[in-house]
Amino acid sequence: SAVISQKPSRDICQRGTSLTIQCQVDSQVTMMFWYRQQPGQSLTLIATANQGSEATYESGFVIDKFPISRPNLTFSTLTVSNMSPEDSSIYLCSVEGHHPPGSNEKLFFGSGTQLSVL
Amino acid sequence: QKEVEQNSGPLSVPEGAIASLNCTYSDRVSQSFFWYRQYSGKSPELIMSIYSNGDKEDGRFTAQLNKASQYVSLLIRDSQPSDSATYLCAVNKDNFNKFYFGSGTKLNVKP
Repeated sequence: SAVISQKPSRDICQRGTSLTIQCQVDSQVTMMFWYRQQPGQSLTLIATANQGSEATYESGFVIDKFPISRPNLTFSTLTVSNMSPEDSSIYLCSVEGHHPPGSNEKLFFGSGTQLSVL
Repeated sequence: QKEVEQNSGPLSVPEGAIASLNCTYSDRVSQSFFWYRQYSGKSPELIMSIYSNGDKEDGRFTAQLNKASQYVSLLIRDSQPSDSATYLCAVNKDNFNKFYFGSGTKLNVKP
């Protein structure tokens, strides 16, 4: 499966500031996904990032709050803008892959970013 | 109605016992089903996938799928304290690359 590196692994931020999370994959992938996992909750898809086009956002998430970049097939960033304590969460980058080769698509995750907003 | 439902637990089992984790999903068009293990403070790790009715075994893990009942389960045989984690059920409904996750069941395996 792909190796997905995410940074920072954790950060503590002040209200009103912004944080950019980076995700690097060791192989080229068509789509990269950004999820949020709030404390005690499940994973919620924020958006799908395609290379060469604007990200597709899920209901309840907007580009002004969560701008995404996808400059190439191995890299993406998610920015959490104008943060409030409600944004405290784990943010996860993920990609689809076929592992083992020839198998159905599966979702693999980066190591995650633990964000705390004061 | 949530796409994927799981009992939040915690489910406590003694070491060596069988842990049984359950999941139901709402949409009959769901095609692919997954179990992820998530240790506290870590990201989810894929442990099982199943696509057709019946059982699929991998080591101590068995995934069971019943599409008629819209039910997926994960059995962990010979449970170990290292199995203590939150187990997330996920479904992929179609070719739009959307995965839906349950809220997870917390498993505690007591030595």
